[in-house]
Amino acid sequence: EDQVTQSPEALRLQEGESSSLNCSYTVSGLRGLFWYRQDPGKGPEFLFTLYSAGEEKEKERLKATLTKKESFLHITAPKPEDSATYLCAVQARAGGTSYGKLTFGQGTILTVHP
Amino acid sequence: DGGITQSPKYLFRKEGQNVTLSCEQNLNHDAMYWYRQDPGQGLRLIYYSQIVNDFQKGDIAEGYSVSREKKESFPLTVTSAQKNPTAFYLCASSILWGGNQPQHFGDGTRLSIL
Repeated sequence: EDQVTQSPEALRLQEGESSSLNCSYTVSGLRGLFWYRQDPGKGPEFLFTLYSAGEEKEKERLKATLTKKESFLHITAPKPEDSATYLCAVQARAGGTSYGKLTFGQGTILTVHP
Repeated sequence: DGGITQSPKYLFRKEGQNVTLSCEQNLNHDAMYWYRQDPGQGLRLIYYSQIVNDFQKGDIAEGYSVSREKKESFPLTVTSAQKNPTAFYLCASSILWGGNQPQHFGDGTRLSIL
């Protein structure tokens, strides 16, 4: 069974204080790992897809990296508007029981104080 | 602008009542999905549809039903058999089932019991 665990559950930062969020996963052959941002009362907004170990993607103050067991979302010099819940999800390759489906972690709630 | 529209934003259900949540997309995506989100838990898959006139049960389908008569529409009915319906319901779509393109989400419907 595919599993995704995110840590920490909640993270409070001061504006400008860089940090990282972790997403540990087990999957029967990784097809893709997805990062989403979710604001309160809204649906998740797609950020990145990572496909293979060693891959990195960047967008503004966010940088996502991938190894064979985990992914990190690095936040550099965060601003209050970066406050949100960040979700990680994995998709298995064809042939796995969860092929075509996304398995989500429970999310990390990020709060950035001015 | 292309996107996914969910309605209503808030919905209240009485005991013994069936309620239907609407999901419409104008992205021309083949695959559509329904998820349930509870506090502190990851998104859980209720039903999915790979293509029009086809749908399959997800991980927590009991007490729910769907239809996919049009490519752009995928309504979800929460039946009286669902004993704990209070949750945030999210509809998503992707270009293809099983492809590694991301799923895109609507802004959700929050369902509560009166």
